[in-house]
This record gives sequence, C-alpha cells and structure tokens, in this order.
Amino acid sequence: DSGVTQTPKHLITATGQRVTLRCSPRSGDLSVYWYQQSLDQGLQFLIQYYNGEERAKGNILERFSAQQFPDLHSELNLSSLELGDSALYFCASSSPGQGHTEAFFGQGTRLTVV
Amino acid sequence: DAKTTQPTSMDCAEGRAANLPCNHSTISGNEYVYWYRQIHSQGPQYIIHGLKNNETNEMASLIITEDRKSSTLILPHATLRDTAVYYCIVRVSYNTDKLIFGTGTRLQVFP
Repeated sequence: DSGVTQTPKHLITATGQRVTLRCSPRSGDLSVYWYQQSLDQGLQFLIQYYNGEERAKGNILERFSAQQFPDLHSELNLSSLELGDSALYFCASSSPGQGHTEAFFGQGTRLTVV
Repeated sequence: DAKTTQPTSMDCAEGRAANLPCNHSTISGNEYVYWYRQIHSQGPQYIIHGLKNNETNEMASLIITEDRKSSTLILPHATLRDTAVYYCIVRVSYNTDKLIFGTGTRLQVFP
C-alpha cells in the first residue's frame, strides 16, 4: 500500500459526459501528480500541483482540468469525454524538501468511455 | 529533461540476475537516475535511485558508469513476481520535479 488513495477504482461513462477523479495523497505530501496511461501512449504526465498551486503542466487537454484543495487532496475533471479518453489515470504524491523525493503512486482509476 | 533509451523487452530465468541497461547520454550534472517498475497495470513502484555512486537496497542494485551516460539496474535473483515494465528516468531530485516516463523495458521472468 503506497498510501495514495484514488477513487473510484473503475468508472464507466458515456461520450460527452463529465467525470471527476479523486486523489488523496500520502500524509504530509504536498505534491500531487496526475498521469494518463492508455494502451498506445504509455504513461503520460498531465499536471502537477504543489501545495495548492499548479507547478507543472504536461500534455493535458483543454477538456481536462485539475485542482488541489487546502486539505491537499486533488481532483482531475474530465469533460466532453471521448472514446479515446478511456485509460488508466494515476495519481502520485511526493513530499517537499531537498534531496531525494520519491513519488508514490496510487492504484489508479480505470475510465471506460462508451 | 534528459531522455533515456532502454531495450523494449528482456527475458530472464527465475533465480538468475536480471541486468537492465539504460542509456542517458545527455544527463545533466544535477540529474539523478531513478528506476520505477509497473506490474501489470498497477501504479508504478519506486525501486532505487542514484547520482553517481553505485547504490544497493533490498530490491535491487544500481550501477552508474563513471561518465554517468549509462546505468544498469540489477535484480540479483529474479522471481516470477519481478515480471514487469521497468522504467529508467532522469530527473532533478530537488524541487519535487515531475517524472517523465519513457517506454521502459518489459522484463519477463520465466520458470
């Protein structure tokens, strides 16, 4: 158990809909990262938040957005869903500070768009 | 971020050492080498990291060449549970830098 909790574990929804994925980081971790893993794309970095502020952005679509709340949990919002958005979505967290900062990953949310 | 090159796949007999190579010829002086693995659609799992010295922990050993342009992850006694995709990543360790995953090496351990 990495200590990172993602909900829900599975999600099936229709095209055009909107969903919210939730991530609770490990206690004390200030950074949250979101990744998308589809069959043909590997693990793609989407976005990073640090203590409530956006820190880095990857190839995140405009239909996707994220935020990190004061209690440090994060949500990834996916709207106008398309079949190609079907993927595993992983959240990771890491602690602040100098030196080695290992990232711990959750078990993911499997999104299926039908 | 510096890019890494890894073989697409490798096989290893159970009980033997698995040596997974990684090239990172454009690595910067302040970038560490990290290894993660992903077992069948589970969340990636941290294995080990290093800057320039060889490192060992309970999971694996990491050998980094003197010029830091390549490294090798060693699983000393591979088991079937080590079958996974192994990712070599270079990143700046401080500042909670993001991890950029490449395609990794798919290691198949066979009986």
